[in-house]
Amino acid sequence: DAGVIQSPRHEVTEMGQEVTLRCKPISGHDYLFWYRQTMMRGLELLIYFNNNVPIDDSGMPEDRFSAKMPNASFSTLKIQPSEPRDSAVYFCASSSRGRATNEKLFFGSGTQLSVL
Amino acid sequence: QKEVEQNSGPLSVPEGAIASLNCTYSDRGSQSFFWYRQYSGKSPELIMSIYSNGDKEDGRFTAQLNKASQYVSLLIRDSQPSDSATYLCAVNTGGFKTIFGAGTRLFVKA
Repeated sequence: DAGVIQSPRHEVTEMGQEVTLRCKPISGHDYLFWYRQTMMRGLELLIYFNNNVPIDDSGMPEDRFSAKMPNASFSTLKIQPSEPRDSAVYFCASSSRGRATNEKLFFGSGTQLSVL
Repeated sequence: QKEVEQNSGPLSVPEGAIASLNCTYSDRGSQSFFWYRQYSGKSPELIMSIYSNGDKEDGRFTAQLNKASQYVSLLIRDSQPSDSATYLCAVNTGGFKTIFGAGTRLFVKA
């Protein structure tokens, strides 16, 4: 199993540009999470999906952020327009309720976003 | 009040000592509790999960849960330099919503 795959690993962009982060969850997992990590705020839950449906997006900071999950094997997190304060590491994680997984979150390697 | 609170540290212990990490949570209805370890520049990885009051041991790690006090702890026995990392307490507040504390940085001195 390849694990959770995120792309790109690093993204440097200028303020005002659109940024799209991508995630492929582990096959068979029906939960997908997007987190943002900064030194100041720690690991914040932005949004999570169950069976491709957004369940809780209360952590999405503002309308500039949007997330989609068009199918069970792909999700995107989009920031438009980006701002310097969006600079952070963005993690995608997946999980399932099965006994083998037992609510454990499997994290991708993260995307380091720098907005200049 | 944050939903999951941890002392940010850093916590420094000598090699071979017991490291004690603590966490409190605000949602009394929470049912599932986790400790993740995160090395610098890496993603979090699960090391312990606990669901009922009491202690749960796995090798050198012991998780403790007290739902009445809304308190979770992690003990690391015989600490090794390789245990130096940030330890994240996580709580499933219902519906699979998993909230993390800010993490405690642990340094184990050789």
